[in-house]
Amino acid sequence: DGGITQSPKYLFRKEGQNVTLSCEQNLNHDAMYWYRQDPGQGLRLIYYSQIVNDFQKGDIAEGYSVSREKKESFPLTVTSAQKNPTAFYLCASSIRTGGKYEQYFGPGTRLTVT
Amino acid sequence: GQQVMQIPQYQHVQEGEDFTTYCNSSTTLSNIQWYKQRPGGHPVFLIQLVKSGEVKKQKRLTFQFGEAKKNSSLHITATQTTDVGTYFCAGQNDYKLSFGAGTTVTVRA
Repeated sequence: DGGITQSPKYLFRKEGQNVTLSCEQNLNHDAMYWYRQDPGQGLRLIYYSQIVNDFQKGDIAEGYSVSREKKESFPLTVTSAQKNPTAFYLCASSIRTGGKYEQYFGPGTRLTVT
Repeated sequence: GQQVMQIPQYQHVQEGEDFTTYCNSSTTLSNIQWYKQRPGGHPVFLIQLVKSGEVKKQKRLTFQFGEAKKNSSLHITATQTTDVGTYFCAGQNDYKLSFGAGTTVTVRA
């Protein structure tokens, strides 16, 4: 059963701690993305990766870091430098086939930092 | 950078009525995509429009891409309770998508 998995679904951390969110896909997609969603706002791009061992900053990369050591995995670390980390985090992947660029989303991780 | 604006932010609809949500980009788009996010869920791809003036239909949903490829609309006819959720448009720029803020739809029976 192909898809994207994110774990955990809910995550609670104390302020000042780094936390890593997991994202795994078995769709054989080259590109992967991390978005942040806040109430009343659309999805904002944090980082994206087009191929293994390569990634680019999105619109709101400050306070976040990523790695792409394997095609299937694209973990996101929320560092203590992120000023407002409480949010819903969504991972997605996509492949270019026949001009279609649709993105497939994981179920998301809701992070609460207190 | 590319900005995508979507209106209205909220749409409260009587069951059976029609409504339209609009999407406008500050730049010309190579394509535009629409996604639906149910309450508590994640965005799910609905459709992609590529050609200028393109119109596509999915049952009661009609999607349109403007002639200048800078705007798009989603029209839903005979709204049902299953239409509840947030509808996002997203403009494609190379590998990246720029999402609008979404239109959150609620339905009263």
